[in-house]
Amino acid sequence: KNQVEQSPQSLIILEGKNCTLQCNYTVSPFSNLRWYKQDTGRGPVSLTIMTFSENTKSNGRYTATLDADTKQSSLHITASQLSDSASYICVVSQNYGGSQGNLIFGKGTKLSVKP
Amino acid sequence: EAQVTQNPRYLITVTGKKLTVTCSQNMNHEYMSWYRQDPGLGLRQIYYSMNVEVTDKGDVPEGYKVSRKEKRNFPLILESPSPNQTSLYFCASSFAGGGGRGSPLHFGNGTRLTVT
Repeated sequence: KNQVEQSPQSLIILEGKNCTLQCNYTVSPFSNLRWYKQDTGRGPVSLTIMTFSENTKSNGRYTATLDADTKQSSLHITASQLSDSASYICVVSQNYGGSQGNLIFGKGTKLSVKP
Repeated sequence: EAQVTQNPRYLITVTGKKLTVTCSQNMNHEYMSWYRQDPGLGLRQIYYSMNVEVTDKGDVPEGYKVSRKEKRNFPLILESPSPNQTSLYFCASSFAGGGGRGSPLHFGNGTRLTVT
């Protein structure tokens, strides 16, 4: 069964600290993996997209890694800020060939950054 | 400004009263889709459209209808809403197939629907 599992479910850290969120998937065939940030009451916003051949990608203080062999990804947040408080959603695209793809969503990790 | 616009943001209705949630995008995206988000369940796809006049069911299509008569608009229709359709709904769009070619999804800001 195609699944995307995220851990932890929730996380509280102090402002300025680093943190790492995990995403394990069992999706085949694999096309790409995405991380989205969702502020409370808003739509998700894309942070990174990684294909099979990419094992790391950065977007400011956000760095995503991908290990396609173990089917694991992580999102590392450096020097956290209060505005990082949000849910982070891992999404894996299943490759149907051509331009089509089926997206499998994780349930997200809720991050709270405290002052 | 490139965006996906949903209306209304909040909607309270009664069981059985037909309603439509509108979604419009100004990025000339071929792909559009609808999701519902419920606590503990994450985002689940309701319907999607690969292009004008091409729609298909997602994971939870029961009780919903969609249409894609124009490229920019993708309304979600609830013919006879029921309380189990109370949820937060998101419309999204992208180039290509939403998953293929690594094209990111652009989401609207959501519609919070309450059916009593």
